Amino acid sequence: DIQMTQSPSSLSASVGDKVTITCQASQDVSNHLTWYQQKPGKAPKLLIYDASNLETGVPFRFSGSGSGTAFTFTISSLQPEDVGTFFCQQYDHLPLTFGGGTRVDFK
Amino acid sequence: QVQLVQSGAEVKKPGTSMNVSCKASGYSFTRYYLHWVRQAPGQGLEWLGIINPFSGGTTYSQKFQGRVTMTKDTSTSTIFIQLSSLTSEDTAVYFCARDRAGIDAWPKYFFDYWGQGTLVTVSS
Repeated sequence: DIQMTQSPSSLSASVGDKVTITCQASQDVSNHLTWYQQKPGKAPKLLIYDASNLETGVPFRFSGSGSGTAFTFTISSLQPEDVGTFFCQQYDHLPLTFGGGTRVDFK
Repeated sequence: QVQLVQSGAEVKKPGTSMNVSCKASGYSFTRYYLHWVRQAPGQGLEWLGIINPFSGGTTYSQKFQGRVTMTKDTSTSTIFIQLSSLTSEDTAVYFCARDRAGIDAWPKYFFDYWGQGTLVTVSS
């Protein structure tokens, strides 16, 4: 199985800060990577697919980049509603696998 | 609008089976693949498998092969997951999720709509 290593596991930031999360795959997954946001007690929400494509309706402050084994997710200016846990997921190989998550909250 | 509504929480004893349902609405049920994903308390996400709601064809994660069964009922636009031989490690919230791709193409294997989740607790 492909291991997805996400870092950091948690971070605290202020409103307006730039936030960066990384996801490392244990083998090449091309650009077959998504990012989801999950709020407490809720299902995940799709933000980014194919590593860098913004899902319809998702604010432009969210972006993704990378290919192969190294990926980055960025929030250009953190907003109060962005609190939650962010997960990456690879879909190049079965079984589908997810990163361990990055919990984002406010200082 | 697309909705996936799951059945309610379950408490199961070790060694028994769980059964969770997921009713789809707001789109043509047979047109999109559906998946099951679970999340243990405070943990990450784990994929269990995919079902084609048109044909009933399934692909399961090898980890759960032999213990998981995914089925569908087209008349009620509902899919089901049964997981047998439960242990405490199966305690989790189980989600159904819709694949981005329609069944006239290969699955995309990522998810654009999710159910609300069903907590299954395995405890003696």
